[in-house]
Amino acid sequence: EAAVTQSPRNKVAVTGGKVTLSCNQTNNHNNMYWYRQDTGHGLRLIHYSYGAGSTEKGDIPDGYKASRPSQENFSLILELATPSQTSVYFCASGGTANTEVFFGKGTRLTVV
Amino acid sequence: AQKVIQVWSTTSRQEGEKLTLDCSYKTSQVLYHLFWYKHLLSGEMVLLIRQMPSTIAIERSGRYSVVFQKSRKSISLVISTLQPDDSGKYFCALWELGTGYQNFYFGKGTSLTVIP
Repeated sequence: EAAVTQSPRNKVAVTGGKVTLSCNQTNNHNNMYWYRQDTGHGLRLIHYSYGAGSTEKGDIPDGYKASRPSQENFSLILELATPSQTSVYFCASGGTANTEVFFGKGTRLTVV
Repeated sequence: AQKVIQVWSTTSRQEGEKLTLDCSYKTSQVLYHLFWYKHLLSGEMVLLIRQMPSTIAIERSGRYSVVFQKSRKSISLVISTLQPDDSGKYFCALWELGTGYQNFYFGKGTSLTVIP
């Protein structure tokens, strides 16, 4: 069964600290995505990747970096976390045709 | 520019009613798909309906169906006979394949509460 696993599921970070959100998929999908979901904004694309070694900027990349070291893993990195980055983050993976995209269960990040 | 126009809203309905959630989209690509997702309280994003514009078939899945008007670039989700478990957030999404890129775009979502 297709699976996308995010870790951690919940995280409290301090302002100015570094945060890494991890995502692992067992779908052998080329495409992976990081979104944040905020009430009133829906899901907004932060970074995405077409395969190992590739990262692309999405619609709201400022303050975030991404890393795709392998087909299975895609990380989202906040080098200097800020309270405005408090949100729920979703990772997703999709095949080349993207006839379906599978989501992780989300990571709730609170920056204090 | 917004690709998926689904205005953020909250709504409540009585159990047993029928609900239509509206969504429109913008794309100039030939290859694209449309989706409706539900965000559960557990955190899961569940795919409800996938509509491929290249087919004339209108997708249905249980109590979920869509009203798809390709010429108007509109796809509405219809939920018949609402149940309390239908409470949650619903998102419309567009996937398009462009020259050298492909991406997913989401609407702002609708939060639904079904009253028993």
